[in-house]
Order: sequence, then structure tokens, then C-alpha cells
Amino acid sequence: DSGVTQTPKHLITATGQRVTLRCSPRSGDLSVYWYQQSLDQGLQFLIHYYNGEERAKGNILERFSAQQFPDLHSELNLSSLELGDSALYFCASSIQGSGYGYTFGSGTRLTVV
Amino acid sequence: ILNVEQSPQSLHVQEGDSTNFTCSFPSSNFYALHWYRWETAKSPEALFVMTLNGDEKKKGRISATLNTKEGYSYLYIKGSQPEDSATYLCAFKDSNTGKLIFGQGTTLQVKP
Repeated sequence: DSGVTQTPKHLITATGQRVTLRCSPRSGDLSVYWYQQSLDQGLQFLIHYYNGEERAKGNILERFSAQQFPDLHSELNLSSLELGDSALYFCASSIQGSGYGYTFGSGTRLTVV
Repeated sequence: ILNVEQSPQSLHVQEGDSTNFTCSFPSSNFYALHWYRWETAKSPEALFVMTLNGDEKKKGRISATLNTKEGYSYLYIKGSQPEDSATYLCAFKDSNTGKLIFGQGTTLQVKP
């Protein structure tokens, strides 16, 4: 157990629907990052939150949004789902500072049918 | 567009062989270079975070070097074991944006 908790582990939903992925960071980590891994793609950076504030955005679609709550957990909302959104979504957390690696959760496997 | 390139894409070695992989990254806006190990059906685990040109890090049989001026890092595995089989990812942290951008990874298969 890495200390980063992601729920649910698996999600199957239909096109056009909306889903919410949840992440609880490791205790003491203020930064939360979301990554997407599609078939044959590497880890693609989506968004970074630090202590409730958005810090950086990657190639995140307008249909996707995220937030980090006062208790530091984060949610990634995916709407108007398309088949191409099927992917493994990872959340990671870290201590702020250059010398620290990211701790990844076990991911949420999203399948859009 | 930030490009983080890893080579080779995959590697098959025999148990006991030593091996190394390359990570190329932009030589400007350097903040840090990360290496991760990603085993099948698990999540990536941090191996090293390097921040200074000339950094060398070691963990058991695995070591890494960093050249920020020319934009490359090497990961070495000495005496590979079957349990080293995994995908090794490098990631470049940009000082301007703070984004951590991953390469596609090198998949290592060690045969007993």
C-alpha cells in the first residue's frame, strides 16, 4: 500500500455519461497530480493541485475537470464520455520540493462502452 | 512541446547480465529528473530523483547518472535478476511550469 488511495479501481460506463474518480493523497502530502495512460501511450499529465489550488494544467480536455478539497482529497470529473476516454487514470501525491518523487495510487481503470 | 525520449523501447537480457538505458530530456528549464520502476499490474514506484548536474544515485544494484547540460540520464542495472523485470520510466520536471513529463519507458525482461 503506497498510501495513496484511489477509488473506484474499475469503472465501466456508457458513452455520454459522467463519472467521478477520487483520490486521497499520502498523509502529509499537499500536492496531488492526475495522469492518464491510454493504450500504447505513456503517462500523460492532466493536472496538478497544491493545497487546494490548481498549479499546472496539462493536456486536459475541457470535458474533464478536477478539484482538491480542504481535506486534500481530490476528484477528477470526466463528462460526456467518449470511447477514447477509456484509460487507466492515476493519481499521485508528493511533498513539495525538488528532491522528492511522486507516490502513485493503484489507478482507476475506466472503460467506456 | 517537451520531449522526453527513452531508449531502447524494450530489452531482453539473461539473468546476470548488466544493462543500461538512456533518457533524453530538454537541456533548458531543468528542475529535476525522476526515475520510476513500474511492474505489471502495479503502480510506478520512485527509484531516484536527481537535481544537480553530475548527480549519481545508487540503490542496491541499480544506479543512475545525470548530465543536465547535454540533457541525458543513464540508468544502470548490474547483474540483472528476474525480479528486475519491469518498465523503467524517466520523467523531466520543468522549472517553468512545474510539470513532470514522462517518457514512454524502457521495458526490461530478464530471463532466468
